[in-house]
Amino acid sequence: QVQLQESGPGLVKPSETLSLTCSVYGGSISPYYWSWIRQPPGKGLEWIGYIYYSGSTNYSPSLKSRVTMSLDTSKNQFSLKLSSVTAADTAIYYCARRGAYGDYVDYWGQGTLVTVSS
Amino acid sequence: DVQMTQSPSSLSASVGDRVTITCRASQGIRNYLAWFQQKPGKAPKSLIYAAYRLQSGVPPKFSGSGSGTDFTLTISSLQPEDFATYYCQQYDTYPPTFGQGTKVEIK
Repeated sequence: QVQLQESGPGLVKPSETLSLTCSVYGGSISPYYWSWIRQPPGKGLEWIGYIYYSGSTNYSPSLKSRVTMSLDTSKNQFSLKLSSVTAADTAIYYCARRGAYGDYVDYWGQGTLVTVSS
Repeated sequence: DVQMTQSPSSLSASVGDRVTITCRASQGIRNYLAWFQQKPGKAPKSLIYAAYRLQSGVPPKFSGSGSGTDFTLTISSLQPEDFATYYCQQYDTYPPTFGQGTKVEIK
């Protein structure tokens, strides 16, 4: 059974960079796509983007200028960086494994709350 | 972006009830529709992809149908572990977008 676990700071200052890591257990990074999704408190879910095990990426147009995803196959981890954050980036951030047949999710992490505040 | 609208936003039901949740897309999405379940403090659980295909390990009491713009998720006999919030998600057009959720509560 594949399990994903997000880790990273729960508090980030405005204008700084949010950094999160997702550790994958019970399965390999290869040959899958790995996604990040977020949900601001009391609001809807937003797709951030995905990274393929080869390193290729696809980001949401609304966040593309601020998002960088990477992965470390030796550690079975992938990461998200979101730059120049504001309070609007406060959200629960989920890591997920993209399904085999499209941009849906087959496995989700539990999610981690990141608050942007000074 | 494709807008996904779920109805109802919440419902109350009893154990053993048959429950149906509807999801409507603002434009045709063929059958590129997924459903997942979310419980507080837990990882969401994926249920269905391609409108009707069950994810591995998901019991057949869950079923999905629809194509184009209108889709449904049905729980045939509601059990205590099924009380949760359910979301639909389209993945026909990038970026993928989600419905606002339907909370299923105990009557």
